[in-house]
Amino acid sequence: QKEVEQNSGPLSVPEGAIASLNCTYSDRGSQSFFWYRQYSGKSPELIMFIYSNGDKEDGRFTAQLNKASQYVSLLIRDSQPSDSATYLCAVNDDKIIFGKGTRLHILP
Amino acid sequence: SAVISQKPSRDICQRGTSLTIQCQVDSQVTMMFWYRQQPGQSLTLIATANQGSEATYESGFVIDKFPISRPNLTFSTLTVSNMSPEDSSIYLCSVESLRAAAGQFFGPGTRLTVL
Repeated sequence: QKEVEQNSGPLSVPEGAIASLNCTYSDRGSQSFFWYRQYSGKSPELIMFIYSNGDKEDGRFTAQLNKASQYVSLLIRDSQPSDSATYLCAVNDDKIIFGKGTRLHILP
Repeated sequence: SAVISQKPSRDICQRGTSLTIQCQVDSQVTMMFWYRQQPGQSLTLIATANQGSEATYESGFVIDKFPISRPNLTFSTLTVSNMSPEDSSIYLCSVESLRAAAGQFFGPGTRLTVL
C-alpha cells in the first residue's frame, strides 16, 4: 500500500524563524509532489508543487525533493502567525495520496 | 485556478436518511474528485467522476452508498445514502489544474453531521 508519512506535530516555531516540515513516501515511482495548507475549518489550499530533484522557491516557501531518499520537505522562511495551519504533503502516482498533515504553530 | 462551490456548506441529518452534495466549477474540467476528511484525519479519495461515464470508486467505497452524478463538465453531485454517525465527515470535491502534474484545487467542503 502506497503511503505518505508526516509527523503530526504540533511543530512550534518562533515568529520570524524558519519552519521545516518533512514528508516521506513509499512509492519510488511517484512523479509529482505537493504541499497543501489547511486552516482549521477550511479546505486544503495548494501552495507548492515540485517534481524535479532539488529546491523550488516561491516567496517565503521552498520545497525540497530528494527522490533517492523518497523525501520531500517544505521550508517557510520568516514564519508569521498567519502560517499557523496544518500542512498536508501529497504525492501523485496514478492518483494523489495525502499524508495526515503536520500542525504548525507560529509563536508570536 | 478554478473557482469551486459546494452546497450545502453544512448539514445535520438523521440516521437512515440521504444527503446530496452539489459541486459547481466555473470552468469545464474533465475529471472531478470526491474526498472525505474525517475529524483529525487526512483526505481519503472516494471516487473520480468523469463526464459521460460511470464514476470510478476507491477501495472501501461503493456506488450504492455513494452514488455520483456527472451530467456535464462543470457539475457533479455526491449522495451519501442511508447515513450513519460514522458518515459524519467533511466532504470535498476537487478538480485538477490545467496541468495535471500541478495538483488539485478543492472546493470549500460540506460538513456533515449524522445523529
